[in-house]
Amino acid sequence: ELKVEQNPLFLSMQEGKNYTIYCNYSTTSDRLYWYRQDPGKSLESLFVLLSNGAVKQEGRLMASLDTKARLSTLHITAAVHDLSATYFCAVPQEGGGADGLTFGKGTHLIIQP
Amino acid sequence: NAGVMQNPRHLVRRRGQEARLRCSPMKGHSHVYWYRQLPEEGLKFMVYLQKENIIDESGMPKERFSAEFPKEGPSILRIQQVVRGDSAAYFCASSPLAPGVSSYNSPLHFGNGTRLTVT
Repeated sequence: ELKVEQNPLFLSMQEGKNYTIYCNYSTTSDRLYWYRQDPGKSLESLFVLLSNGAVKQEGRLMASLDTKARLSTLHITAAVHDLSATYFCAVPQEGGGADGLTFGKGTHLIIQP
Repeated sequence: NAGVMQNPRHLVRRRGQEARLRCSPMKGHSHVYWYRQLPEEGLKFMVYLQKENIIDESGMPKERFSAEFPKEGPSILRIQQVVRGDSAAYFCASSPLAPGVSSYNSPLHFGNGTRLTVT
C-alpha cells in the first residue's frame, strides 16, 4: 500500500523566515504533485514534478523531486502572511496512470507577522 | 471555461437519510474522481469513473455508498442511511486524460467540495 508522509504536520513561522516541508513516499513514482488548500476551500494545484531532479519555482515557493530517495521538498523563502494555508503532496496510486492520487496528511502552515 | 462544479456546497442530513452529491466536470473532461476529506486529514481516494463506467472503486466503502457518471448529466455520489461518521468534505476532481497515458502531466482539477454534516 502506498504511503505518503509529510512533515512537519504543523508549522508556525514568522514572516521573512525560510523553511522546508518534506514529503516522503513509499513506492516508486516518477511524478509528484503539490497542492495548496485554504480553510474551507478547494485544492489549488501548485506544482507538477515529472522526473527525477525536477525543480520548479513560483514566487517564494520552490519544489523539488528526488525519485531515488522518494522525497520531495517544498521550500518557502522569506515567508509572507499570504502563504498561510495547508500544503499537500500527492503521488499517483500504484498502477500508474490517472487512477487517483494518494495524498499526504498535509502541512498546516501559519505565518505570523 | 467553468471549473469543476459541485453542489450543494453544504448539506445537512439526519442519521438514516440519504445524501446526494453532484459533480459536473470541467468541459471536455470525461474522467471524474471522488475524494473524502475528514477534518485535519488529507484527501482519501474513493472512486474513479468515466462516462457510464466505474473504473476503480477501491476506496469506497462497500455498503451505503455508490457513485455513477451517466452519459448525460453530472456525476453523483450517493450515500444511503447516513451516519455521523460520514460527516466530511467530499471533493470531486476531473481530468481530460485516460489512465496509463505516460504523458499525463496535468494535475487533477478539484471542485469546491460539498461539506456534509450528519446530525
